[in-house]
Amino acid sequence: EVQLVESGGGLVQPGRSMKLSCAASGFTFSSFPMAWVRQAPTKGLEWVATISTSGGSTYYRDSVKGRFTISRDNAKSTLYLQMNSLRSEDTATYYCTRDAHRAPFDYWGQGVMVTVSS
Amino acid sequence: DIQVTQSPSSLLASLGERVTITCQTSQSISNNLNWYQQKPGQAPMLLIYYATSLQTGMPSRFSGQYSGRSFTLTITSLEPEDIANYFCLQHYSAPHTFGAGTKLELK
Repeated sequence: EVQLVESGGGLVQPGRSMKLSCAASGFTFSSFPMAWVRQAPTKGLEWVATISTSGGSTYYRDSVKGRFTISRDNAKSTLYLQMNSLRSEDTATYYCTRDAHRAPFDYWGQGVMVTVSS
Repeated sequence: DIQVTQSPSSLLASLGERVTITCQTSQSISNNLNWYQQKPGQAPMLLIYYATSLQTGMPSRFSGQYSGRSFTLTITSLEPEDIANYFCLQHYSAPHTFGAGTKLELK
């Protein structure tokens, strides 16, 4: 059974950093691109970042470029999102998702809440 | 970015009723659209991928169709466990974009 479990969220002050993790199991992690998607309170979902299978290619939405870094450790089957210079508008539930060629974003974690506030 | 307009934003329906939710994209995306179900506190679940393909394990009462830039998710006969939020995702071009969601509630 495919499982994605996010961790690392919480309350953080504006301008500070936070690192999210997503532990994957039930599939060959190194064979799939992975992504982060977020949903701000009362707002819709928005794609944040995607990483290739090897980690050699990464893609970001404009609003997080230069501040967020997506990475992965295939040996640990874990996906990461390093978030720096956090802003109030980054407050959201962050989901990790598998970006399968057969069906993009086919499996999702339950999400982790990040609140940016002083 | 491709805009995805989902309607309705909320929907009241009775058990056994046929339910239809629509997503319209701002440009042609072929069949590159998925539908998801999400219940409170749970991970989103893929229902339909590439517009018409039913995800393994999902009930056959869920189906997807499309014509041009208009995509529909249909539940042929509403069951209690179908009460949830539904959203669509276009994955034709980056950045992938989502519909705003439909909250399906019991009448």
